[in-house]
Amino acid sequence: AQTVTQSQPEMSVQEAETVTLSCTYDTSESDYYLFWYKQPPSRQMILVIRQEAYKQQNATENRFSVNFQKAAKSFSLKISDSQLGDAAMYFCAYRSSTSYNNNDMRFGAGTRLTVKP
Amino acid sequence: EPEVTQTPSHQVTQMGQEVILRCVPISNHLYFYWYRQILGQKVEFLVSFYNNEISEKSEIFDDQFSVERPDGSNFTLKIRSTKLEDSAMYFCASSQYSNQPQHFGDGTRLSIL
Repeated sequence: AQTVTQSQPEMSVQEAETVTLSCTYDTSESDYYLFWYKQPPSRQMILVIRQEAYKQQNATENRFSVNFQKAAKSFSLKISDSQLGDAAMYFCAYRSSTSYNNNDMRFGAGTRLTVKP
Repeated sequence: EPEVTQTPSHQVTQMGQEVILRCVPISNHLYFYWYRQILGQKVEFLVSFYNNEISEKSEIFDDQFSVERPDGSNFTLKIRSTKLEDSAMYFCASSQYSNQPQHFGDGTRLSIL
């Protein structure tokens, strides 16, 4: 079974600085999807960024970018120019793409990000 | 931008009672999901639903749980004979296709007393 590990329960960053959140996963599949979701105190789940495993190019979405290392099974999230509104719980998630019957997402335990003014 | 909506935002129920959590997925989405997040823990997959039937379910989704799409817009999660440990945030999600990102609702906080 696929597992997702986030080894940093908590991280903090100074406003306007850059922070990197770690995520590793375990899978025997070659094709899959990886996601970062943000969960602010309001408890919504907001999609931040998505990466297809077959793509070598790292996904970027404005101030958010990933460092996808397929061989190492690592998928870190970099937040540049951190803003107070970035403070949230961040979840890394994995989803298989082998068949439509295997489309549940596996989440990591989350990293709580604090942004200091 | 279209969004997934969930009602109610907070549900308080006596232990042993049945509860129905409601979700309206994004209108052109074909795949629907329920997830659970116990306070302070990770988000856990419960069930996925496609073409009016369950396509996958986790070990958490036992006979106590059921899902239904009673009409063209709603997607419901029913929990029978609720237990204290069912207290959690329940998230509904939908995606247009199975390989597309899942869009989450704001969640329903279920409190079992």
